[in-house]
Amino acid sequence: DTGVSQNPRHKITKRGQNVTFRCDPISEHNRLYWYRQTLGQGPEFLTYFQNEAQLEKSRLLSDRFSAERPKGSFSTLEIQRTEQGDSAMYLCASSSGALVDYGYTFGSGTRLTVV
Amino acid sequence: AQKITQTQPGMFVQEKEAVTLDCTYDTSDPSYGLFWYKQPSSGEMIFLIYQGSYDQQNATEGRYSLNFQKARKSANLVISASQLGDSAMYFCAMRERGGADGLTFGKGTHLIIQP
Repeated sequence: DTGVSQNPRHKITKRGQNVTFRCDPISEHNRLYWYRQTLGQGPEFLTYFQNEAQLEKSRLLSDRFSAERPKGSFSTLEIQRTEQGDSAMYLCASSSGALVDYGYTFGSGTRLTVV
Repeated sequence: AQKITQTQPGMFVQEKEAVTLDCTYDTSDPSYGLFWYKQPSSGEMIFLIYQGSYDQQNATEGRYSLNFQKARKSANLVISASQLGDSAMYFCAMRERGGADGLTFGKGTHLIIQP
């Protein structure tokens, strides 16, 4: 197991275009999380899945954002009609359980630049 | 109100010295977990250490230890014998058992180790 994998590592897109990111979690982890990190800030929680069910969404996740985890394995995060304010690092993490003391393993992130 | 406060935006430390990174937190949940992550310039979030709210002893992991003062709601990270490779952003994070499943992060401390 090579950890949490995110693709692409970098994405540059023009304002108004749609983009999609992929996250492959650690295989035995049933929980998957998306975070957004802007420059100079800590990561902010966006949404999480338990298996294929999306259980929580932050108010940061506007209508232009959608996340899926169709088979309870990999997940995609799509941003429609991108805006310059969407420029950020998008981090994915996975964990194995609901208890507070289960660790979260992060991927290396996808850095999005909207021009 | 900020749930996680890291008051040191940046720190310069001489190699081989010990360094303490401050973190205070705010929660009314009696059950919570506190995490420290390291984020090098490459972007990945590397888990360092975990402290549960009911743990009787301070957590230690190699050169990392967590100075947990529950009454003061403080969870400072101590790095002993700092190395050049410790230069990175450091984030304190919390998960509350009764709250959202994701982590709440502070704004981070940029640590620079000088030779």
